[in-house]
Amino acid sequence: AQSVTQLGSHVSVSEGALVLLRCNYSSSVPPYLFWYVQYPNQGLQLLLKYTSAATLVKGINGFEAEFKKSETSFHLTKPSAHMSDAAEYFCAVSDGYNNNDMRFGAGTRLTVKP
Amino acid sequence: NAGVTQTPKFQVLKTGQSMTLQCAQDMNHEYMSWYRQDPGMGLRLIHYSVGAGITDQGEVPNGYNVSRSTTEDFPLRLLSAAPSQTSVYFCASSYVRENTEAFFGQGTRLTVV
Repeated sequence: AQSVTQLGSHVSVSEGALVLLRCNYSSSVPPYLFWYVQYPNQGLQLLLKYTSAATLVKGINGFEAEFKKSETSFHLTKPSAHMSDAAEYFCAVSDGYNNNDMRFGAGTRLTVKP
Repeated sequence: NAGVTQTPKFQVLKTGQSMTLQCAQDMNHEYMSWYRQDPGMGLRLIHYSVGAGITDQGEVPNGYNVSRSTTEDFPLRLLSAAPSQTSVYFCASSYVRENTEAFFGQGTRLTVV
């Protein structure tokens, strides 16, 4: 069964600094990988998802993630943090055809300091 | 463009009470699901459905029932609420296909006292 580990439950950066949120997965087959963002008091919305077409995936709001099979990682980055990026971020992995096997990481709360 | 709508947004129950959390989607998605979100644990799947009349259990189904009589609606029933069911509940929907995005409702914050 697949699983996801997000390193760091809280990450704090200064406005304009690099954002790096870490995600490692385990899966017995090539996985489907996602990053979701949750703003306060809202549901989750998709930031980006991995397709086999490219290892570097660009998402909304300037975020991107790189799939590294050798490291079983799918870390999320943004070159320059903005105050509006403060939210909780979830990495998710799925092996299958439906989303019933999707597994979420515990989440990383990003704080952006002025 | 409503997407996934959950009601209520907040609810306080006494131990032993029952209630139904409502979820409706207007995107004609075959797949619908319920998650609970607890601090430090991410989202855990409670029940899911791949179409009207078809439901199945997820990771943490105990204490919850679901039914799917229409494509649009997927209510979650708490039969006899317990303090351990204090959580934030999310409904999600998607198409039944590979590598597909799930759309989430805004959540229901439930407290059982």
